[in-house]
Amino acid sequence: LAKTTQPISMDSYEGQEVNITCSHNNIATNDYITWYQQFPSQGPRFIIQGYKTKVTNEVASLFIPADRKSSTLSLPRVSLSDTAVYYCLVGDLWISGNTPLVFGKGTRLSVIA
Amino acid sequence: NAGVTQTPKFRILKIGQSMTLQCTQDMNHNYMYWYRQDPGMGLKLIYYSVGAGITDKGEVPNGYNVSRSTTEDFPLRLELAAPSQTSVYFCASSSHPGQGGTGELFFGEGSRLTVL
Repeated sequence: LAKTTQPISMDSYEGQEVNITCSHNNIATNDYITWYQQFPSQGPRFIIQGYKTKVTNEVASLFIPADRKSSTLSLPRVSLSDTAVYYCLVGDLWISGNTPLVFGKGTRLSVIA
Repeated sequence: NAGVTQTPKFRILKIGQSMTLQCTQDMNHNYMYWYRQDPGMGLKLIYYSVGAGITDKGEVPNGYNVSRSTTEDFPLRLELAAPSQTSVYFCASSSHPGQGGTGELFFGEGSRLTVL
């Protein structure tokens, strides 16, 4: 199971672009990279998922280099409502008897006015 | 669709008592999970299930039991509650990629349990 490493916390001003990097040096061939967002007193919410190169949706972009040993979640022009904990998960979506996705400690993003 | 529904939302237990946290989903997902989250920490996987009749241990299964008799329901049983089990419990479900899903986890609103 690929272990992930993320910064514990980050601060940003409103309107700035925020990039959160996740390291996963032992990622396996079948592993996908998924990011979740969690607000206080709520369950995590899916943000974006990718396997390689770049993925973009209406909320964020995910950059994955060719070696896939790291990934970067990019949040454009953050607002106060983006203050949350962001989790990077790496794993095989098919489970197939392996332990499914586990959450690390995440990155606590604080957006300042 | 209601998604993933957990009950109760709040509960206070005395040491040694037992209880069941209920979880039901209406998305016909094969996979279901129970996580616990202690204050300021990430989520820890307790048990998971890949389908009715199949369950397996996660990272922190001690003190808990689960069953999966139907696709929709995945109750978590706490036997002999201890203060260390004070936490917020989240149930989640996801579809198998063979069902056309992405493996995205859908979470319930959580059940806040305090053991005194």
